[in-house]
Amino acid sequence: DADVTQTPRNRITKTGKRIMLECSQTKGHDRMYWYRQDPGLGLRLIYYSFDVKDINKGEISDGYSVSRQAQAKFSLSLESAIPNQTALYFCATSAESTDTQYFGPGTRLTVL
Amino acid sequence: AQRVTQPEKLLSVFKGAPVELKCNYSYSGSPELFWYVQYSRQRLQLLLRHISRESIKGFTADLNKGETSFHLKKPFAQEEDSAMYYCALSEGNTPLVFGKGTRLSVIA
Repeated sequence: DADVTQTPRNRITKTGKRIMLECSQTKGHDRMYWYRQDPGLGLRLIYYSFDVKDINKGEISDGYSVSRQAQAKFSLSLESAIPNQTALYFCATSAESTDTQYFGPGTRLTVL
Repeated sequence: AQRVTQPEKLLSVFKGAPVELKCNYSYSGSPELFWYVQYSRQRLQLLLRHISRESIKGFTADLNKGETSFHLKKPFAQEEDSAMYYCALSEGNTPLVFGKGTRLSVIA
């Protein structure tokens, strides 16, 4: 679904570097989410936002921060990347919590 | 404790055989349940949700509140069904809770 985009799509970085992953959506949804996907662990929620002024921690927020710059934009930052943050990161949006979530294509992050 | 349990990490079936992907949940209220699918090199997408009671790509899922289950079924598996499947639970005004996923492999 091209309505939800993520940049970059792939990133290799070194331990200790700061990195930002960006998510944009044109669906007009208020709710946005960041997940990480690891083999055998499924999708785990990092942070979520129900509107521009709302930011909430998810299951695994330690080591991450987010910024909701506008309704359409939700960025995820790793202030000091570490190797166990190597994963596939997904952004998603929804109109309501009980509605369908629309996912971005994912960002594959490797921390060396 | 896991609120959504998918007991099988990997399920392999032959083409044409029936498929059942198991999902059990833990929630005392009225749940809303979903199945999402991720095909190779594609993003996750909704497959079906229990309130719509529809069949998508031949898949169905019935909510069994007594057994707290929402198993995904298809009578005849196709090779194109090979993918990662996630069961997800909505507990109201909170984000979806996903299971750990089951990888379905359909063997020709």
